[in-house]
Amino acid sequence: AQTVTQSQPEMSVQEAETVTLSCTYDTSENNYYLFWYKQPPSRQMILVIRQEAYKQQNATENRFSVNFQKAAKSFSLKISDSQLGDTAMYFCAYDTGNQFYFGTGTSLTVIP
Amino acid sequence: GAGVSQSPSNKVTEKGKDVELRCDPISGHTALYWYRQSLGQGLEFLIYFQGNSAPDKSGLPSDRFSAERTGGSVSTLTIQRTQQEDSAVYLCASSLVLGAQYFGPGTRLTVL
Repeated sequence: AQTVTQSQPEMSVQEAETVTLSCTYDTSENNYYLFWYKQPPSRQMILVIRQEAYKQQNATENRFSVNFQKAAKSFSLKISDSQLGDTAMYFCAYDTGNQFYFGTGTSLTVIP
Repeated sequence: GAGVSQSPSNKVTEKGKDVELRCDPISGHTALYWYRQSLGQGLEFLIYFQGNSAPDKSGLPSDRFSAERTGGSVSTLTIQRTQQEDSAVYLCASSLVLGAQYFGPGTRLTVL
């Protein structure tokens, strides 16, 4: 079965510190995209970062970076210099072109 | 438009009534998705449209739920004979064939 697993339902981090959210997935496809989405309390789902599976270099977007381990099917998100506005639900997802799968989410709270 | 729009933003209805939720995807996006999200929960896939192909209806929870996509653009999700358990936020997203999904702000449905 094609699944996405986020093993941390809730996490917290002190403001300005670094936090890593984990995600593992299971697929038999070789070409796919991976994503992290953020959903703040306002409920608007926002794309944070994306990674093409054929690229070895880890994607980076400002304070957000990923650690993509294709063989291990792992796709963790690192948030550096955490800010209060980072408080949100974070969803990991992947797209094979035929199917799009989301994880169950990690609720992140940034503590002042 | 610049993004995915959904209407109405909030809908309150009485049990047993029918409701229609509308989604306007990003122009040029061939794929359109509907999800349901209960309070504090992850995304529940409902239905997926891709171009002119037959939609993937595998996520629809019952035959009270249906969706159409006219002209490859606007989509309407219809819930007939609403029940209290249908209360949730209904999210629409659109994407290119292989790529990130861009989400609308959602419609919060409350069934009294």
